[in-house]
Amino acid sequence: NAGVTQTPKFRVLKTGQSMTLLCAQDMNHEYMYWYRQDPGMGLRLIHYSVGEGTTAKGEVPDGYNVSRLKKQNFLLGLESAAPSQTSVYFCASSYLQVYEQYFGPGTRLTVT
Amino acid sequence: DAKTTQPPSMDCAEGRAANLPCNHSTISGNEYVYWYRQIHSQGPQYIIHGLKNNETNEMASLIITEDRKSSTLILPHATLRDTAVYYCIARYSGGGADGLTFGKGTHLIIQP
Repeated sequence: NAGVTQTPKFRVLKTGQSMTLLCAQDMNHEYMYWYRQDPGMGLRLIHYSVGEGTTAKGEVPDGYNVSRLKKQNFLLGLESAAPSQTSVYFCASSYLQVYEQYFGPGTRLTVT
Repeated sequence: DAKTTQPPSMDCAEGRAANLPCNHSTISGNEYVYWYRQIHSQGPQYIIHGLKNNETNEMASLIITEDRKSSTLILPHATLRDTAVYYCIARYSGGGADGLTFGKGTHLIIQP
């Protein structure tokens, strides 16, 4: 039981490049979330999903897209990376809304 | 979700109980109080949550005042590994599926 895993762990992009971050969970959770954390700040919600095939916007969705084609995977895409997207990205999942969220180890992204 | 207020930092001696306060004076009757912690830029870790009764698990105890306007997280025998940022979060229990709202939390430093 690996819990929540994220790929890759580190990445450096040039401005304008695109990439996809992968989140996978093996706990059969319905809900999945993408957050970003900037230095010295708390986490902010980017997008979330309440089940396979569904996605919704969070607090800071601009510049990101997501997909949940399989229940266990939640993908976060950056179509045209900008330096403002330099951050640590965390994925999380939960069984239901009121249950605790389990977080992945994070992806550290730098956009130059 | 109700706003929560926490002290920015606290110290505690190893082996002693660490008591972390949280103010949530505008909390509504259907909002739970959740505690998470983040150790050195790892993904946040769930600790405990409660609605109005005190709660205890293997990690900590949560004491919620009778008027629910404040709460205290208690780590009974703090160790150096408990050094982390602790987040107190008030979260609506019904409808919707938005993520957790993280503030800046309390940086707890356990002193040897």
